[in-house]
Amino acid sequence: NAGVIQTPRHKVTGKGQEATLWCEPISGHSAVFWYRQTIVQGLEFLTYFRNQAPIDDSGMPKERFSAQMPNQSHSTLKIQSTQPQDSAVYLCASSLVRDISYEQYFGPGTRLTVL
Amino acid sequence: GEQVEQRPPHLSVREGDSAFITCTYTDPNSYYFFWYKQEPGASLQLLMKVFSSTEINEGQGFTVLLNKKDKRLSLNLTAAHPGDSAAYFCAVSPSNSGTYQRFGTGTKLQVVP
Repeated sequence: NAGVIQTPRHKVTGKGQEATLWCEPISGHSAVFWYRQTIVQGLEFLTYFRNQAPIDDSGMPKERFSAQMPNQSHSTLKIQSTQPQDSAVYLCASSLVRDISYEQYFGPGTRLTVL
Repeated sequence: GEQVEQRPPHLSVREGDSAFITCTYTDPNSYYFFWYKQEPGASLQLLMKVFSSTEINEGQGFTVLLNKKDKRLSLNLTAAHPGDSAAYFCAVSPSNSGTYQRFGTGTKLQVVP
């Protein structure tokens, strides 16, 4: 079991460019979560999917951020027109839907740096 | 909004001493509680999950106490060693039906030989 896979591990973009982050959940896990980690704000929930359907995106910034889960084997987080304040480590986690505690397994994260 | 406060933000202890970290939360509907360890440059590693009220759980080298009445969750690393140096986060699941986790602000622990 490879665990949750996130690519790329590091991404550097210029201000105004687009960034797409990829997450491959653990095989058989039907819930996928996205979090953002910064020194200032700590770990913040962004959005999550269950069985590919968006369930809660209450943590997503209203502009420029979007997430999709086109199939059960991957999810993407897209940031349009990146700004320096978007610099963070973006963590993806997955869990088994039948585990009602939603114990989450975290990926290594993607460190996004916006210059 | 609902919050999870974690104290202390930084903690330095000598090898062999205990390290005590506490989280308090505000959401009375919180149901599942988690402690994670994050080593530098690494992702979150689950230490323990608890959900029963006033529960003491013992892991390898640590104890977790949950007091739902006081809305308090604590982690006690007993006989800390340098390998325990890391950031520790508590997390609270605001539902009993499976949802995201709300994280504490983190504690950076340093264990000095």
